[in-house]
Amino acid sequence: AQKVTQAQTEISVVEKEDVTLDCVYETRDTTYYLFWYKQPPSGELVFLIRRNSFDEQNEISGRYSWNFQKSTSSFNFTITASQVVDSAVYFCALSEGSGSRLTFGEGTQLTVNP
Amino acid sequence: SQTIHQWPATLVQPVGSPLSLECTVEGTSNPNLYWYRQAAGRGLQLLFYSVGIGQISSEVPQNLSASRPQDRQFILSSKKLLLSDSGFYLCAWSGRQGEELFFGSGTQLSVL
Repeated sequence: AQKVTQAQTEISVVEKEDVTLDCVYETRDTTYYLFWYKQPPSGELVFLIRRNSFDEQNEISGRYSWNFQKSTSSFNFTITASQVVDSAVYFCALSEGSGSRLTFGEGTQLTVNP
Repeated sequence: SQTIHQWPATLVQPVGSPLSLECTVEGTSNPNLYWYRQAAGRGLQLLFYSVGIGQISSEVPQNLSASRPQDRQFILSSKKLLLSDSGFYLCAWSGRQGEELFFGSGTQLSVL
C-alpha cells in the first residue's frame, strides 16, 4: 500500500527566509508519480509539480525548488526568500503507476510572517 | 481549456436530510473523476473515483454514494446525513493515470 508522510505539521518563518517542506513516501511500485499541491485559505488545491519515478532531476521554478531522492524515498520542497503570499497548507501526494488514485500526506501548514 | 465546476460552495443541512453535490468538467473527454473529503482542515481522504460512465470505485465504507450518469458529471449523494459527514468536499479530474489532478473549488458541508 502506498503512503505519504509529511512529518512537519506546522512551520512558521519570517518573510525572506528559506523554508523546506519534507515529504517521505512508501510504495512497492517501480513506476510512480509524486506531486505537490498548495491549498491557500480559499480552500482550492493548486497543482504545483508532478514528478515520475524515473526522473530524479531536481527542478526549479522561480522561488520554488524540488529535491527528489529515490534512495531516501523523499521529495522535498523548498521555497526560497519566502513571502507572506506563500502562507498555505502544502500537500505532497503519490500515485502508483498501476492505478489512478492519489494518496495525500497530512499536509504542512506554512505561515510566513511579515 | 479544461474547467471543473462544483456546487454549492457552502451547504448547511440537518442530520437525517439527503445530500446531493454535483461536479461537472468541461473541455475534456473521458476524464477520471474523484471525490475527496477534507476534515478539520487537513488530510484529504479519497472517497470515490470513476474511470468511466457508471464505473464507481469506493475507497471507504460510509454513508455516502457516488454516481456518474454522464461522461463529465460526477455526483456525491447521501440518503441521510450524519454529523460525521461534515467536512470540505472536493471534486477533481485527471486525464490518463499518473497525471495530476485538477480540483474544483470545494463545498463546505456542515451537518447540524
